[in-house]
Amino acid sequence: GQQVMQIPQYQHVQEGEDFTTYCNSSTTLSNIQWYKQRPGGHPVFLIQLVKSGEVKKQKRLTFQFGEAKKNSSLHITATQTTDVGTYFCAGLMYSGGGADGLTFGKGTHLIIQP
Amino acid sequence: EAGVAQSPRYKIIEKRQSVAFWCNPISGHATLYWYQQILGQGPKLLIQFQNNGVVDDSQLPKDRFSAERLKGVDSTLKIQPAKLEDSAVYLCASSLVGPYEQYFGPGTRLTVT
Repeated sequence: GQQVMQIPQYQHVQEGEDFTTYCNSSTTLSNIQWYKQRPGGHPVFLIQLVKSGEVKKQKRLTFQFGEAKKNSSLHITATQTTDVGTYFCAGLMYSGGGADGLTFGKGTHLIIQP
Repeated sequence: EAGVAQSPRYKIIEKRQSVAFWCNPISGHATLYWYQQILGQGPKLLIQFQNNGVVDDSQLPKDRFSAERLKGVDSTLKIQPAKLEDSAVYLCASSLVGPYEQYFGPGTRLTVT
């Protein structure tokens, strides 16, 4: 079946270090979305990437969509304690019917040590 | 703007019992989703509604799960009978139209004993 793989599963960093999570799809994606889930919370939408090779920035966060639209990455510069949480990528697969829902990866848990 | 509302927040039932969850999406959002999130995993789409019509229920275990969205607003998800492996957080989400920028509710944590 359609899969979205994310690595690493866990990432421990010292506060101030950078962090990157990677997302790979078994099939070409229509778009990819990123969500953040704080411990005990619910997923919160961060961004959507649609175009091949697209790069978007939100303050310290940089999101990239691969040229083949099969992979994506999220990079956080100089992590802060407020960045703690699980980061999910979610891919929207191409479908002739146009009705497919999002397929979420398993997420990367970011743990920050002060 | 009010967010997605869900109730109850927590539910504990015994296996083979039935349970229902309720969701009220953000006003004006045409698309509503139910997800199942097992501990340590990403949300798994169970069903997607566009207004009051189902557009994707391919991963809904239809022998025990059912969902409806009457009048294209509120929605209920039911499990009957529940199994131990149904223990999870059930998340409702909504979007203006289509599978883009989804807003999630706080979820219902279901424990089946």
